Amino acid sequence: DGGITQSPKYLFRKEGQNVTLSCEQNLNHDAMYWYRQDPGQGLRLIYYSQIVNDFQKGDIAEGYSVSREKKESFPLTVTSAQKNPTAFYLCASSMGRGGGEQYFGPGTRLTVT
Amino acid sequence: GENVEQHPSTLSVQEGDSAVIKCTYSDSASNYFPWYKQELGKRPQLIIDIRSNVGEKKDQRIAVTLNKTAKHFSLHITETQPEDSAVYFCAAIGSNYKLTFGKGTLLTVNP
Repeated sequence: DGGITQSPKYLFRKEGQNVTLSCEQNLNHDAMYWYRQDPGQGLRLIYYSQIVNDFQKGDIAEGYSVSREKKESFPLTVTSAQKNPTAFYLCASSMGRGGGEQYFGPGTRLTVT
Repeated sequence: GENVEQHPSTLSVQEGDSAVIKCTYSDSASNYFPWYKQELGKRPQLIIDIRSNVGEKKDQRIAVTLNKTAKHFSLHITETQPEDSAVYFCAAIGSNYKLTFGKGTLLTVNP
């Protein structure tokens, strides 16, 4: 289970609060990704980064923000603007963008009440 | 952008039978098609993948086929076992280098 880690495993927040989810990898991968998983919806891409100091919006970026200041780290902030933030969040990394295996972290289950 | 459709959403088979999950994609430039298995409460893990220059790939009881003309690809699991029970996701990388996932298939293998 090493290589890519996420913390915490469970996170609880009150509505209106921003919250930051951690993702760290020691695989020396250039690309990192954030997905949101809801029951019956598969995995939907929030943001991705192919290189340090650069990132792009995925399919459901509204209400989220990211940074990529270090190759190893790609934190995701769920802002109060995200209308339905309760979900399972998965971080992943890959060697590059050309089509190779994405390795997933164990996920963070966020509950906002 | 890429759109990936996956069927069926649920599949129940008897132990020892075969299981087939089918996916279609929309971006004709897509060139990489992985399949992930996600057990309950765990992270998705790659079980097999195929590139667009190959029509079929096998790994023990698992095989994937790709029809580029029809833009569909399928996962075949033979001699299913109870530990094959999980959610399976297909995915495709399009011309924008983003991996788009299908909505998943819940496979149940009954002993």
